[in-house]
Amino acid sequence: SQKIEQNSEALNIQEGKTATLTCNYTNYSPAYLQWYRQDPGRGPVFLLLIRENEKEKRKERLKVTFDTTLKQSLFHITASQPADSATYLCAASGGSYIPTFGRGTSLIVHP
Amino acid sequence: NAGVTQTPKFRVLKTGQSMTLLCAQDMNHEYMYWYRQDPGMGLRLIHYSVGEGTTAKGEVPDGYNVSRLKKQNFLLGLESAAPSQTSVYFCASSWTLLETEAFFGQGTRLTVV
Repeated sequence: SQKIEQNSEALNIQEGKTATLTCNYTNYSPAYLQWYRQDPGRGPVFLLLIRENEKEKRKERLKVTFDTTLKQSLFHITASQPADSATYLCAASGGSYIPTFGRGTSLIVHP
Repeated sequence: NAGVTQTPKFRVLKTGQSMTLLCAQDMNHEYMYWYRQDPGMGLRLIHYSVGEGTTAKGEVPDGYNVSRLKKQNFLLGLESAAPSQTSVYFCASSWTLLETEAFFGQGTRLTVV
């Protein structure tokens, strides 16, 4: 079955450093990957979408890559701030695939 | 400009009771979804709809029913609630089947005792 895997362990980094989160997918080839941010008690909020024919996408301090050979997407936050602390969800979809979310990775940015 | 609104925000049910969760969106989106989120399990798709009058099963549809009588509303029903349905439920909508961004509601925290 289709699987989206994200690191279940929280990522702890110091303010100002670059945070890198990983999303791996197995048993299918999604055409789109999306990244969402979720704060405690709130619904996910869309951040970035990348298509399979795009290697990289940027938005302000955020960067997403899509490697179809490795079946992986990396999500980077540069110059991280404590306000970036949240859970980040990866989602995959496209064509006839049912939209599938990963479990999310918690990011904690220490001042 | 409300986006996606879920009603209610919190609910406690006794085992065997029924209830309906309402989701309303004001963005004229064709696609709507119901997810449940449990600790360590991430978001799991229950049912979704690709347009008014249509519904389809997601990953975990058992024990739930849905209806999309109006384009802006997507209802999730629990006919006979079970403790295993204790969860946070999120509704979302989008222009396409996750080829564009999805907008989520604020969630409904349901406890079945």
